[in-house]
Amino acid sequence: QKEVEQNSGPLSVPEGAIASLNCTYSDRGSQSFFWYRQYSGKSPELIMFIYSNGDKEDGRFTAQLNKASQYVSLLIRDSQPSDSATYLCAVKGGGYQKVTFGTGTKLQVIP
Amino acid sequence: NAGVTQTPKFQVLKTGQSMTLQCAQDMNHNSMYWYRQDPGMGLRLIYYSASEGTTDKGEVPNGYNVSRLNKREFSLRLESAAPSQTSVYFCASSEAWASGYEQYFGPGTRLTVT
Repeated sequence: QKEVEQNSGPLSVPEGAIASLNCTYSDRGSQSFFWYRQYSGKSPELIMFIYSNGDKEDGRFTAQLNKASQYVSLLIRDSQPSDSATYLCAVKGGGYQKVTFGTGTKLQVIP
Repeated sequence: NAGVTQTPKFQVLKTGQSMTLQCAQDMNHNSMYWYRQDPGMGLRLIYYSASEGTTDKGEVPNGYNVSRLNKREFSLRLESAAPSQTSVYFCASSEAWASGYEQYFGPGTRLTVT
């Protein structure tokens, strides 16, 4: 079983819609959760992080964490063509554990 | 403030050749990382340096060596390149290792081994 799993996509949504990106993880002791955005040919950049169960909002982005279900998601409201990118979920285990990245979900926002 | 810089941006090597990928950060970060990214495989950790003076193996260390030259610089060496090492290599840094600080990535090195 992969440590961090994401659907590779592509996930296509029309402009203005809500995009929902999902990620599951296997290590129940994981403590920190990150969403990175990676444009084609570019390096990853952090857009959200979450540590506690529940929702965390930042502008058009909302991260949701459910530790009991080992599930973290990213919602993008009012999706724009500029949101078209690959979104990487990253999970850090407890203590001195490293960060593990998922393979990413490609999002396409159709104008 | 340049963040994380990497050289070179592109490189083509023949099988058996060696090379060193250079990485430097100007954010005074303690931890630095080398990843490779392959289609369908995501980012895989090759080596990391939790703090100056220490280095440790990550998920895919075979065929690579690293040097943490000082707090700013962390280099990755391929001693005898193989076609399986064709990939995009990213260097990253973070403020610390033991907590969930975000990682800042360099622009990447696109390496082809023929």
